[in-house]
Amino acid sequence: KQEVTQIPAALSVPEGENLVLNCSFTDSAIYNLQWFRQDPGKGLTSLLLIQSSQREQTSGRLNASLDKSSGRSTLYIAASQPGDSATYLCAVSTGQAGTALIFGKGTTLSVSS
Amino acid sequence: NAGVMQNPRHLVRRRGQEARLRCSPMKGHSHVYWYRQLPEEGLKFMVYLQKENIIDESGMPKERFSAEFPKEGPSILRIQQVVRGDSAAYFCASSSPDRGRYGYTFGSGTRLTVV
Repeated sequence: KQEVTQIPAALSVPEGENLVLNCSFTDSAIYNLQWFRQDPGKGLTSLLLIQSSQREQTSGRLNASLDKSSGRSTLYIAASQPGDSATYLCAVSTGQAGTALIFGKGTTLSVSS
Repeated sequence: NAGVMQNPRHLVRRRGQEARLRCSPMKGHSHVYWYRQLPEEGLKFMVYLQKENIIDESGMPKERFSAEFPKEGPSILRIQQVVRGDSAAYFCASSSPDRGRYGYTFGSGTRLTVV
């Protein structure tokens, strides 16, 4: 059974700091991995999607890496800003037929100015 | 492109009433998924539907919960005889058939409160 774990559960950093959020999954047979952002009381915003054949994806100040064999992904945020404060969720898809996304519980990030 | 539209945003029901949650997928998407987020827990898959078909309902509670995606109109998640434990945020996501390549788009959710 696929399980997704995110560490740390919460993180507080000063503005401008670079940071890394971690995601691990127990079954390496994934189709893709997606990082989302969730603001309090709001929906999910997709940040980055990494196919199982890819090693990383970049969007602006965000960079996500994937090491499928070790069951790990990281989300790197450069030069953090107060507007980055949110909960970051990692989710894996187990294939076209396995339609459910399996989510971690998230990392709640707080960036202080 | 309005994205995935869910309504209502907030819903309050008394115990024993019925709750109906609606979801209109993103334009061009024909696949709909429902997830539930209980307080202090992660999002859990409930059901996956295509037009007029339930494809995977492995995450749906066996009783009181049902879902449909009719040929015309939005997808509906129905909860009959609600109990306090049903209080949660319910999210709908949609995708194209090529979800492996393009991923999922989520709506803003419906916050259900049972009093």
